[in-house]
Amino acid sequence: EVVLTQSPATLSLSPGERATLSCRASQSVSSYLAWYQQKPGQAPRLLIYDASNRATGIPARFSGSGSGTDFTLTISSLEPEDFAVYYCQQRNDWYSFGQGTKLEIK
Amino acid sequence: QVTLKESGPALVKPTQTLTLTCTFSGFSLRTRGMRMSWIRQPPGKALEWLARIDWDDHKFYTTSLKTRLTISKDTSKNQVVLTMTNMDPVDTATYYCARAVTTMGDYFDYWGQGTQVTVSS
Repeated sequence: EVVLTQSPATLSLSPGERATLSCRASQSVSSYLAWYQQKPGQAPRLLIYDASNRATGIPARFSGSGSGTDFTLTISSLEPEDFAVYYCQQRNDWYSFGQGTKLEIK
Repeated sequence: QVTLKESGPALVKPTQTLTLTCTFSGFSLRTRGMRMSWIRQPPGKALEWLARIDWDDHKFYTTSLKTRLTISKDTSKNQVVLTMTNMDPVDTATYYCARAVTTMGDYFDYWGQGTQVTVSS
């Protein structure tokens, strides 16, 4: 089973700042990693797939990088609507999700 | 326009069997490469993948719950059904159905709104 560990658990930033979220896999998942955004009371929304590809309709301020075991989601300049919980997910060995990073307004 | 919607009981008693239905539109589960999964999220916790059914009727389950889960589809009704036996309070969660397409990376690109299930006597 692939365990995904996200850090930090909570990230406090202000609108306009840059956000960097990390996801580390317990074993290599190649580039088979996605990022999702979840707002309270809503389903997750696919942001990034295959580590670095933006899903349809996702703004360019969201970018992903990494391969193997270390991945990063970067939001270049935070908008008010970006404050949410972010999950990483791998599909290299079935499916598993990280525990999430809560991005909150400072 | 792709839409998915889960339905089922909001409350079940311990030891009972849960049956959830996902009704979808905007695509067909007869189409090669289409996959439908069930994913759950306990209150305040992370997401957990449960089961998947493919366009060719292949079925897959998470190892820890394999003996309790059954997934099936009715392509004529555009529905996917999940049953979970012997429900326990730890199964209290929001249950989502989600679509994936192998030709688009096999990630969950569309989700239902989720249905909240509480297990309590």
